[in-house]
Amino acid sequence: GAGVSQSPSNKVTEKGKDVELRCDPISGHTALYWYRQRLGQGLEFLIYFQGNSAPDKSGLPSDRFSAERTGESVSTLTIQRTQQEDSAVYLCASRLTGTRQETQYFGPGTRLLVL
Amino acid sequence: AQKVTQAQTEISVVEKEDVTLDCVYETRDTTYYLFWYKQPPSGELVFLIRRNSFDEQNEISGRYSWNFQKSTSSFNFTITASQVVDSAVYFCALTGRASKIIFGSGTRLSIRP
Repeated sequence: GAGVSQSPSNKVTEKGKDVELRCDPISGHTALYWYRQRLGQGLEFLIYFQGNSAPDKSGLPSDRFSAERTGESVSTLTIQRTQQEDSAVYLCASRLTGTRQETQYFGPGTRLLVL
Repeated sequence: AQKVTQAQTEISVVEKEDVTLDCVYETRDTTYYLFWYKQPPSGELVFLIRRNSFDEQNEISGRYSWNFQKSTSSFNFTITASQVVDSAVYFCALTGRASKIIFGSGTRLSIRP
């Protein structure tokens, strides 16, 4: 694909429900990142994948948050038992590694609203 | 620890004025990369520029220019002859050995017609 895509673009859920957010990185990009952006704030790093493994999960805010990646492609971020404080835009980015390309390219984000 | 500081929370200027967005960073890595991203009202993050720590040459791209100074740990961004379409939130960011990007808190730029 031409760029990073994310789905759904918007998600409204009730407190306590689980949600899954999907990211399709740019084809061939082996590194994938998830970030969270609360309203009016900067981006918080959540997790980084190199291939299918996650060498850095340091940003996941609690054990309700988990992510996986398969086939060195699609990634899913799962939030269990959602809370209102989870409301934010969740952004995915991918990067080409093995070269000197260090730039991360971002998807349009998933806007999550927990009622 | 790595840190990016964008002290200007909001800037408002009249169209055609020049405007500079400040960025100061902290890192212990000897090799690192600095970025500027633009986030228009649509929400998508648009990559503007990447500089590596070994290249202090300033860069100009049309109305945009960037001033990288290692001596002051700054990577400032200037828009010349601003236009309404430049209105957005601009983020300065840093990445080093840890690979994740550390973002500043952003500067909201409003260009008034």
